[in-house]
Amino acid sequence: DAGVIQSPRHEVTEMGQEVTLRCKLISGHNSLFWYRQTMMRGLELLIYFNNNVPIDDSGMPEDRFSAKMPNASFSTLKIQPSEPRDSAVYFCASSSSSLGSYGYTFGSGTRLTVV
Amino acid sequence: GENVEQHPSTLSVQEGDSAVIKCTYSDSASNYFPWYKQELGKGPQLIIDIRSNVGEKKDQRIAVTLNKTAKHFSLHITETQPEDSAVYFCAARHNTDKLIFGTGTRLQVFP
Repeated sequence: DAGVIQSPRHEVTEMGQEVTLRCKLISGHNSLFWYRQTMMRGLELLIYFNNNVPIDDSGMPEDRFSAKMPNASFSTLKIQPSEPRDSAVYFCASSSSSLGSYGYTFGSGTRLTVV
Repeated sequence: GENVEQHPSTLSVQEGDSAVIKCTYSDSASNYFPWYKQELGKGPQLIIDIRSNVGEKKDQRIAVTLNKTAKHFSLHITETQPEDSAVYFCAARHNTDKLIFGTGTRLQVFP
């Protein structure tokens, strides 16, 4: 299994531009989580999906952030327009409670820099 | 909602010594407590977990203990090695799929 795959690994963009982060889940996993990691705030849950349905988006900072899960294996996180304060490492993680384990498998992250 | 506090924020030990990281949680309904290790430039990786019906779990040099009454759990690493150097996160799961993470402990093991 290739694990959770995120792309791109690094993204540098100018303020005001649209940014799209991508995530491919582990086959058979049915929950998908987007986290943001910064030195100041640690790991923050932005949104999570279960069986393609958004369950809790209370962590999404504001309307500039949106996430979709068009199918069972893929998700996108979009920031439009981006701002310098959005600079962080964004992780997605997947899990499958049906397998009897609640542990997440994280991707390698996307380091976003907004200048 | 659930709140997880983690201490210490940094920990330095000599190779071969033991390291202990402690976490407390606020919601008594939380039932699953994983620990993650994050190396530089990588995502967090699950290293051990414990459920609320168990008081202790061990896997080679790492162990986790849970005190439900006091609402705290700890990670113990024995015979530390330089490759144990990383940031460690505890987390707690309520009755949803959400994990709430602690703020992390940067462990440095000096040879």
